[in-house]
Amino acid sequence: KAGVTQTPRYLIKTRGQQVTLSCSPISGHRSVSWYQQTPGQGLQFLFEYFSETQRNKGNFPGRFSGRQFSNSRSEMNVSTLELGDSALYLCASSLQERTDTQYFGPGTRLTVL
Amino acid sequence: AQKVTQAQTEISVVEKEDVTLDCVYETRDTTYYLFWYKQPPSGELVFLIRRNSFDEQNEISGRYSWNFQKSTSSFNFTITASQVVDSAVYFCALSDPYGGSQGNLIFGKGTKLSVKP
Repeated sequence: KAGVTQTPRYLIKTRGQQVTLSCSPISGHRSVSWYQQTPGQGLQFLFEYFSETQRNKGNFPGRFSGRQFSNSRSEMNVSTLELGDSALYLCASSLQERTDTQYFGPGTRLTVL
Repeated sequence: AQKVTQAQTEISVVEKEDVTLDCVYETRDTTYYLFWYKQPPSGELVFLIRRNSFDEQNEISGRYSWNFQKSTSSFNFTITASQVVDSAVYFCALSDPYGGSQGNLIFGKGTKLSVKP
């Protein structure tokens, strides 16, 4: 089975721009979660989607948004980029339950200049 | 509150040494799951193990072993005869079925393991 895939792997943007990151979960997985990882803050939860519905949202400003499609693929969007948004963005998928094992993708490394 | 503490920020060992990574957790739940993930320099978090709170048997997988002790709320990870390829950041995590702003997985801050040849 193919693992979680994320595109693009690397991205360089400038302040004020917006960006869209994509995540394809493992086949059959219905839950997708997004995390931001920075050296200072560690792993921080962004949001979780299940069957196209957002189930949880972390403490991030409204500039961070996401969605999930009927095929379970998910996208997250960051508008009006700030320097502090530079991070590794990780996507994880799980079969369905909230305590299911989450399997992570390789991440998208976003650099904001 | 749900919390995971990995007190060791960085550990450095020489190849073939045994090393134990500590993980202490706090939870209000009676049923929960504990996880360990490995993050090599490439960045991807690799799942290592998932443990149910009702199963306190120690687990061994090759050079890896896990010691789950409910009495001390600890889930420690030991690598026997460490190798350079074990160099990575290791995260311990606790399930939170109620989710909320922390999500369904509460992560520790991670322990960076460096194995020198």
